Amino acid sequence: AQSVTQPDIHITVSEGASLELRCNYSYGATPYLFWYVQSPGQGLQLLLKYFSGDTLVQGIKGFEAEFKRSQSSFNLRKPSVHWSDAAEYFCAVGPYTGNQFYFGTGTSLTVIP
Amino acid sequence: KAGVTQTPRYLIKTRGQQVTLSCSPISGHRSVSWYQQTPGQGLQFLFEYFSETQRNKGNFPGRFSGRQFSNSRSEMNVSTLELGDSALYLCASSMTQTNSPLHFGNGTRLTVT
Repeated sequence: AQSVTQPDIHITVSEGASLELRCNYSYGATPYLFWYVQSPGQGLQLLLKYFSGDTLVQGIKGFEAEFKRSQSSFNLRKPSVHWSDAAEYFCAVGPYTGNQFYFGTGTSLTVIP
Repeated sequence: KAGVTQTPRYLIKTRGQQVTLSCSPISGHRSVSWYQQTPGQGLQFLFEYFSETQRNKGNFPGRFSGRQFSNSRSEMNVSTLELGDSALYLCASSMTQTNSPLHFGNGTRLTVT
């Protein structure tokens, strides 16, 4: 069965510190993987996507993610966090049967000054 | 290019009533998907429409239905509302290619009392 696990419900980091958000997936075929960010009261914005090729992908706002097939992981990283990065982050895999995507339950990021 | 537009932003309904939510996709996007977002459950797939046809449906009761019009605009309807239907309902559109990422609207916040 297809699923996405984000083990960390909530993470707190200091501004300027590095960040890594974990994502593990279960998918029967070659996955397309995505990270989205959601600010309060907003919809989800695409940060980056992985389809194939280079396993390290760059996204917007200085984020990057690395696909590791052997670990079924697609972790999101940022070298130096800014206060404006405080938001909820969702990992997703798909599509499956048409255009259905599976989302993790999200990781809430708090940034302290 | 205008983003995905969802109306209304907020709704308050009473148990037993029905509600209709509207979504206008990005121009040129023919696939429209609906997701229910609740705390702790993350995003749950409701259904997807492509060229006015429901292409896939999630595991929700028949009280949840939708449709898509010839201009790709979509509506979802929930009948006989229950307290547990309170959630943020997100609409997402995407291009025809199956690996196209989802573009989300800001959602409709439904509160059932």
